[in-house]
Amino acid sequence: EAGVAQSPRYKIIEKRQSVAFWCNPISGHATLYWYQQILGQGPKLLIQFQNNGVVDDSQLPKDRFSAERLKGVDSTLKIQPAKLEDSAVYLCASSLVAIYNEQFFGPGTRLTVL
Amino acid sequence: DQQVKQNSPSLSVQEGRISILNCDYTNSMFDYFLWYKKYPAEGPTFLISISSIKDKNEDGRFTVFLNKSAKHLSLHIVPSQPGDSAVYFCAASGAYGQNFVFGPGTRLSVLP
Repeated sequence: EAGVAQSPRYKIIEKRQSVAFWCNPISGHATLYWYQQILGQGPKLLIQFQNNGVVDDSQLPKDRFSAERLKGVDSTLKIQPAKLEDSAVYLCASSLVAIYNEQFFGPGTRLTVL
Repeated sequence: DQQVKQNSPSLSVQEGRISILNCDYTNSMFDYFLWYKKYPAEGPTFLISISSIKDKNEDGRFTVFLNKSAKHLSLHIVPSQPGDSAVYFCAASGAYGQNFVFGPGTRLSVLP
C-alpha cells in the first residue's frame, strides 16, 4: 500500500514570496491533516479536512495560509506571502476515519524562508 | 502556553536496559493520550495510546502509564534496542479528538 506522498521535499524561498505544498493521501482515507513543525517543537495541527470539508482550521493563520482539498483527495497548502517564521517542516497526514491513532504521516516538506 | 510538556530534550540508555520517557500536561480536559516515534526525514508513526479511563496500556516492549491526578504519563521501553533510537512525541486530545496537541519531543539514543 502506497503511503502519504508529499512534494516538494525541500523548498527555499525569499520572504514575501509565495509557496505551495502538495499532498496525496493514502487511497480511501477520508481525513487529511496538515501540520507545521518548527525546529525543536512538536507538530502543530494547522487544518483538518473530512473529505473536502474543513473540520478544524482554528490554528491556521488565515491572513497568509490557505488550504484546499479538491474532490476529497489531494490537498494543497499555500503560504502567501511567506515570513521568516514560516521556516518549518510541513507534514501531511491522512486517516481512514478521524481518529488520531490511525494517522499516517508523509515525509514532510522542509521550508526555509530567507 | 505549552499544554503538553516533555521536559527532557534527550535521553541516552544502554541497549537492553529500560527507557523511560516522561510527559506532563496542563489541560484537565485531555482525555486521550498518544505516543509517536519519529526517525529523521520521516513523518511520525503512531506507537501506543491510552485513554483516561485506564492507567496502563501495554503493547509488546512498550508500556504507557497514566497518572491523571498528577497529569503525568510515561512511556517505558523494555528492553531498549538500538532501533528504538528516535524522537518520541507525546500527544493529547479531548474525548472527541478536539484540541489535539503534540509535545516538543524527546530524542532517545540507545547505545549498543
